[in-house]
Amino acid sequence: GENVEQHPSTLSVQEGDSAVIKCTYSDSASNYFPWYKQELGKRPQLIIDIRSNVGEKKDQRIAVTLNKTAKHFSLHITETQPEDSAVYFCAAIGGGGSYIPTFGRGTSLIVHP
Amino acid sequence: DTAVSQTPKYLVTQMGNDKSIKCEQNLGHDTMYWYKQDSKKFLKIMFSYNNKELIINETVPNRFSPKSPDKAHLNLHINSLELGDSAVYFCASSLPYGSYNEQFFGPGTRLTVL
Repeated sequence: GENVEQHPSTLSVQEGDSAVIKCTYSDSASNYFPWYKQELGKRPQLIIDIRSNVGEKKDQRIAVTLNKTAKHFSLHITETQPEDSAVYFCAAIGGGGSYIPTFGRGTSLIVHP
Repeated sequence: DTAVSQTPKYLVTQMGNDKSIKCEQNLGHDTMYWYKQDSKKFLKIMFSYNNKELIINETVPNRFSPKSPDKAHLNLHINSLELGDSAVYFCASSLPYGSYNEQFFGPGTRLTVL
């Protein structure tokens, strides 16, 4: 089955800096890659996603890039703010004909004011 | 309006007891899921139902039994609770299985087994 590795597990940045979270996946058939943000004590919520026919997608301060050849995708957050502090999960879907997401283990992002 | 709701929000119980968690979604979705999030925040899928039919059942002890009375509800019943069952359980829903869609999560149920 699909295996998703996510790094780093913890990321600490100063307000205004950029943050990058990287994920790799194992099944080349996966073709949908969502990112979820989970604030402390809250539910995970989708913040951005990318499909395999696209190399990059941007939404204001967040962007996601995908390299299908290398089987990795990344989340980029620019001009970080304290409210960006949360756990971020990547996921890969479509491998092995399954439409169930395989999640990475999460990255705890801490933005210091 | 609440899209995906779960009850109860907190559940504290003794080892060996049986408990249930209820989930309802008003999004009109066909597919619903149960996830377990442990203390290290790992999100592990447990079950997925499409139109009241079980489509995935990951390696989960048979003490856990999902029940879907209709498309809008997916309840989770747990027998003979163990300490290791302590976690946050999230229900989620999405558009039909067979397409790539956003998962809408419920608020979670924090289960503590003493």
